[in-house]
Amino acid sequence: QVQLGQSGAEVRKPGSSVKVSCKASGGTFNSNAISWVRQAPGQGLEWMGGIIPLFGTANYAQKFQGRVTITADESISTAYMEVSSLRSEDTAVYYCSRHSGLYYYYGMDVWGQGTTVIVSS
Amino acid sequence: QSALTQPASVSGSPGQSITISCTGTSSDVGGDNYVSWFQQHPGKAPKLMIYDVNKRPSGVSTRFSGSKSGNRASLTISGLQPEDEAEYYCSSYTRTNTRVFGGGTNLTVL
Repeated sequence: QVQLGQSGAEVRKPGSSVKVSCKASGGTFNSNAISWVRQAPGQGLEWMGGIIPLFGTANYAQKFQGRVTITADESISTAYMEVSSLRSEDTAVYYCSRHSGLYYYYGMDVWGQGTTVIVSS
Repeated sequence: QSALTQPASVSGSPGQSITISCTGTSSDVGGDNYVSWFQQHPGKAPKLMIYDVNKRPSGVSTRFSGSKSGNRASLTISGLQPEDEAEYYCSSYTRTNTRVFGGGTNLTVL
């Protein structure tokens, strides 16, 4: 059974950047798309973007284009999500999630435990 | 891409059935049969309950079912149980090869 393990909580100052990792264990990595979803305090889920490790191609929600970079390293079954020019509104729990197939239309059946990012001066 | 529209809250008594709606457009919900539903308890990661409009992952109770008509999808929970009390989110694949979530619905089991 595939599990996704995410990196630990981060505190950053406004204007800086943060990079969160998501490591897959117990199953395949490059035959499934990975999505990143965030949840601000008391708010709903928001799809940020994703990557298909097999192709190395990333897609982003329009809102995050240019400020978020998603990458993957197949050799260590790990995906990364970096947010730059952080602002207080980026304070949230960031989740990675695996799709059950190669593309984003497959269901998101496995989730990481979430990484809390706090942006504060 | 605008968020899908869900009611903010629904409630029901144990044993009853409830339905949560999720309204989108022809570019997402109405475009294909790739609507999912997630359950989220406070402080926990979301859990996939329904995918491809009406399919249940292994281990999900048959009390959960999904349907779709046009640009509107629905999640029905029958035989409500106290542990069903949670936040529920719909999500759809879109024609721009992205995904979009609904705003979430808080289910209270009275």
